[in-house]
Amino acid sequence: GGIITQTPKFLIGQEGQKLTLKCQQNFNHDTMYWYRQDSGKGLRLIYYSITENDLQKGDLSEGYDASREKKSSFSLTVTSAQKNEMAVFLCASSPPGQFAETLYFGSGTRLTVL
Amino acid sequence: GDSVTQTEGLVTLTEGLPVMLNCTYQTIYSNPFLFWYVHYLNESPRLLLKSSTDNKRTEHQGFHATLHKSSSSFHLQKSSAQLSDSALYYCALSDHYVGDNSKLIWGLGTSLVVNP
Repeated sequence: GGIITQTPKFLIGQEGQKLTLKCQQNFNHDTMYWYRQDSGKGLRLIYYSITENDLQKGDLSEGYDASREKKSSFSLTVTSAQKNEMAVFLCASSPPGQFAETLYFGSGTRLTVL
Repeated sequence: GDSVTQTEGLVTLTEGLPVMLNCTYQTIYSNPFLFWYVHYLNESPRLLLKSSTDNKRTEHQGFHATLHKSSSSFHLQKSSAQLSDSALYYCALSDHYVGDNSKLIWGLGTSLVVNP
């Protein structure tokens, strides 16, 4: 088995601040994802990466940057935190395959912006 | 476009009663793949069930679902709710032949609260 580790678990920022969230996986999966989870809005894809140094924008990429410098790690940057923003950011990975594959998630980073 | 519709918002049940969380979908995919993910508080979301086979019941951890292409549905059921079933449940749709999850379509999620 493997694990996805997200750091930090809780992140408190100030309005306008640049904030970075980190994700590590030891599944040796090629593809990694960043999702945002808001109550009542489902999971929305921010960025994904199909291999080291690859970046693909999801539906919610505006206001975010991402970086995949190693196969095992995928980081997400909130470029300018919005006042009163609260959300959970979930990192995930999936194995390569010809068919729709299972997503494996981390436990999330909970962001609060003051 | 493709979409997934789940039972809205919050479902509250008494322990021991049956669980049914609805999931219907709209898609152009000829071979849809449906998933149920569960997110327990303070844990990672994880896969509960998945299926791409029409009219075949799939089961895991006491939950079951059957993909019905004729009605575009993949409802999640359990015969008797337990307190530990309290969680957020997501239904999701993909094309069976897509090799990554970037095109995964998510429902908005249903919070299930089971009371004693």
